[in-house]
Amino acid sequence: QVQLQESGPGLMKPSETLSLTCSVSGGSISGNYWSWIRQPSGKGLEWIGYIYYTGSVFYNASLKSRVTISVDTSKNQFSLRLNAVTAADTAMYYCARGGGSYYPNDYWGQGTLVTVSS
Amino acid sequence: DIQMTQSPSTLSASVGDSVTITCRASQRISTWLAWYQQKPGKAPKLLIHKASTLESGVPSRFSGSGSGTEFTLTISSLQPDDFATYYCQQYNSYYTFGQGTKVEIK
Repeated sequence: QVQLQESGPGLMKPSETLSLTCSVSGGSISGNYWSWIRQPSGKGLEWIGYIYYTGSVFYNASLKSRVTISVDTSKNQFSLRLNAVTAADTAMYYCARGGGSYYPNDYWGQGTLVTVSS
Repeated sequence: DIQMTQSPSTLSASVGDSVTITCRASQRISTWLAWYQQKPGKAPKLLIHKASTLESGVPSRFSGSGSGTEFTLTISSLQPDDFATYYCQQYNSYYTFGQGTKVEIK
């Protein structure tokens, strides 16, 4: 059973860079796409981007200028960096398996809450 | 970008009712459509992929249909565990989620 676990800071200040890591266990990161998705409190789901294990990345156009997703196959992890955060980036951040055309998100992490506040 | 319009936003129903949620894509996506169930404080759970294929372990009272731009999720005979928020997602071109439908107890 594939399991995903997000890790990163819970509280940030405006203009800082958010860094989150998703650790994958119970399966290899190789051969799959891996996604980041976020959800502001009480609101819907927003796709941030996804990465293939080879390093090919695809981003939501609305966030593309601030987002970097990377993968480390040796550690079975992938990561998210979001630059210049504002209060609008306050949300639950989920990592999940899936991406590309043809693959929905079948395994999800429990999510990590990121709050941006001065 | 492909936009997904989900309706209704809220649905009030009773245990035993049959309910239908609709998702409309702004352009044709074949059957690259998934449905998720989310409960408060939990990550979404994949229920259906490829518009109508049930994930392993998902009760058969859930069903999905549609292709192109119009899709539906039907829950026949609502159970107490089914009161939750449901999202559609297109994965034909990147990802886009619908706005969500909250199924609440009448």
